[in-house]
Amino acid sequence: AQSVAQPEDQVNVAEGNPLTVKCTYSVSGNPYLFWYVQYPNRGLQFLLKYITGDNLVKGSYGFEAEFNKSQTSFHLKKPSALVSDSALYFCASLPYSGAGSYQLTFGKGTKLSVIP
Amino acid sequence: GAVVSQHPSWVICKSGTSVKIECRSLDFQATTMFWYRQFPKQSLMLMATSNEGSKATYEQGVEKDKFLINHASLTLSTLTVTSAHPEDSSFYICSARLRGRAYNEQFFGPGTRLTVL
Repeated sequence: AQSVAQPEDQVNVAEGNPLTVKCTYSVSGNPYLFWYVQYPNRGLQFLLKYITGDNLVKGSYGFEAEFNKSQTSFHLKKPSALVSDSALYFCASLPYSGAGSYQLTFGKGTKLSVIP
Repeated sequence: GAVVSQHPSWVICKSGTSVKIECRSLDFQATTMFWYRQFPKQSLMLMATSNEGSKATYEQGVEKDKFLINHASLTLSTLTVTSAHPEDSSFYICSARLRGRAYNEQFFGPGTRLTVL
């Protein structure tokens, strides 16, 4: 069974500072990995994905994530945080193939607060 | 990009009534649609998977007679919460899988806030 862990319930960062939201995964084979952002009372918005290729993935709104196979991590990063980045962030995985390969597995979410 | 809409965006109803939530893929055909439930400050919980023209597959612990899912076309799935009770109050989110994609990417709707009085 696959699982996704987001070890931090909340991350606080000052505006202008770099931010990191952590994600580790436990998936057999090579997973597809995603980051989504959710603003209050809204659905999930896609930020970026890792499918194959370069380990550093660039996404929307200046976010990027690095796929690290040896550490089974896919941390979300941004060089300079904005107050408007404050939201709930979800890491998710899809298995590469096989039964259930269409079902996303979500982490529990990390609340990011960017302090002015 | 692929857009998924949900209607209504929020609904308040009395206990015992039934509520229907629609999920539409606006500019693509969705082979499969998913229904999630999200409690405050928690992650998304998959309730069921629906494939066009066939019965939905429910996750363990989800009552299929309580949460009726119909996937009548490649662009529309509906979730009906029957005889709703206050404990059914939640944020319901649907997603749709884009037909023909090499990998099974899902696109999410904006969610529906259900409050049962």
